[in-house]
Amino acid sequence: EVQLVESGGGLVQPGGSLRLSCAASGFTFSGDSMDWVRQAPGKGLEWVASITGTSSYIYYADSVKGRFTISRDNVRNSLYLQMNSLRAEDTAIYYCVREQGSGSYFVDWGQGTLVTVSS
Amino acid sequence: IQVTQSPSTLSASVGDRVTITCRASQRISSWLAWYQQKPGKAPKLLIYKGSTLESGVPSRFSGSGSGTDFTLTISSLQPDDFATYYCLQYNTYWTFGQGTKVEVK
Repeated sequence: EVQLVESGGGLVQPGGSLRLSCAASGFTFSGDSMDWVRQAPGKGLEWVASITGTSSYIYYADSVKGRFTISRDNVRNSLYLQMNSLRAEDTAIYYCVREQGSGSYFVDWGQGTLVTVSS
Repeated sequence: IQVTQSPSTLSASVGDRVTITCRASQRISSWLAWYQQKPGKAPKLLIYKGSTLESGVPSRFSGSGSGTDFTLTISSLQPDDFATYYCLQYNTYWTFGQGTKVEVK
């Protein structure tokens, strides 16, 4: 059974930093691209970032480019999102998501971790 | 690529046939998926590649379309189907539709 468990969310001041983690199990982690998707309170879904299985290709949404960094550790079966220069509009639930292969749809989702950017 | 989903809200009754549409701003072949999300939960995959039903999803759900216009149909709405539905294009990066909330009429 695929399991994706996010951690690291919390309250942070505008301009601050936060690092999210996602522990993956139940599948061959290095074989699939992984993504972060977020959802602001009461709003729709927004893709944030994607990383291929060997970290060869990384993609970001324009809204986070230059501020967020996605990375992975295939030994620890973990996905990360380093978030810097946080803004109020980054407040959202952040989901760790597994792609079906690479460059594909999102097949499995974690339960999400809430990031609140507020003074 | 922009994705326009409609309607934003849909009022229906148990047993109704429900249709939700997504239109992409450029051709995306069949690279479109549909998700169901209930309050406080993560989205759940229903359909991928335009019309392929994910394993375990009831057959009352179906998807159709290719190119720019896509449809999700629930043939006979069940109590468990009241939720918000999203489409996702994955032809070029990833873009979600705005969502459709299916509520009780």
